[in-house]
Amino acid sequence: GENVEQHPSTLSVQEGDSAVIKCTYSDSASNYFPWYKQELGKRPQLIIDIRSNVGEKKDQRIAVTLNKTAKHFSLHITETQPEDSAVYFCAASRGTYKYIFGTGTRLKVLA
Amino acid sequence: DSGVTQTPKHLITATGQRVTLRCSPRSGDLSVYWYQQSLDQGLQFLIQYYNGEERAKGNILERFSAQQFPDLHSELNLSSLELGDSALYFCASSVGPGENEQFFGPGTRLTVL
Repeated sequence: GENVEQHPSTLSVQEGDSAVIKCTYSDSASNYFPWYKQELGKRPQLIIDIRSNVGEKKDQRIAVTLNKTAKHFSLHITETQPEDSAVYFCAASRGTYKYIFGTGTRLKVLA
Repeated sequence: DSGVTQTPKHLITATGQRVTLRCSPRSGDLSVYWYQQSLDQGLQFLIQYYNGEERAKGNILERFSAQQFPDLHSELNLSSLELGDSALYFCASSVGPGENEQFFGPGTRLTVL
């Protein structure tokens, strides 16, 4: 069946450094790729998303890139801050079909 | 606040029992999704409804069932509960049935003793 692989499972970076989280999806018909951030004890919240007709999207310190040929997409966080510490989930969706979430990456930003 | 409400916040029950979790989507959202999140685990998709109809099913156990009512609220029924069913259950809603942002509720923490 469809799946989304996410790496790494944990990531520690120094404050101010960049963080990159990568996802690979299996369903080539997927066309919507959101990223969610879940802080400890809280609900997941969308931080950025990208659709298949776009290769890159930026929002301040956050960017997402998509390589449809390789079926990869990545989250890039620049100038990391302690408040970026959380679990990040990628997901892939196809039309009216369900989301498939990745397994999550626990990001720790060290002050 | 996402606009999605879930009740109850916490639920403690015994093995073998049955519980019902309730979700009210954001105003205007027609899709409701249910997810299970065990301790330090990812989001396991259970089931999706769109405008009252089941749209997609994930790894939902036969002991679990759900429905979406005409007023668009949804209920997740868990029966013959086992210790392993202890988890955080999230409901999410979105405008459409697929490629849209999902807005998550605060979750219901279920503890099975």
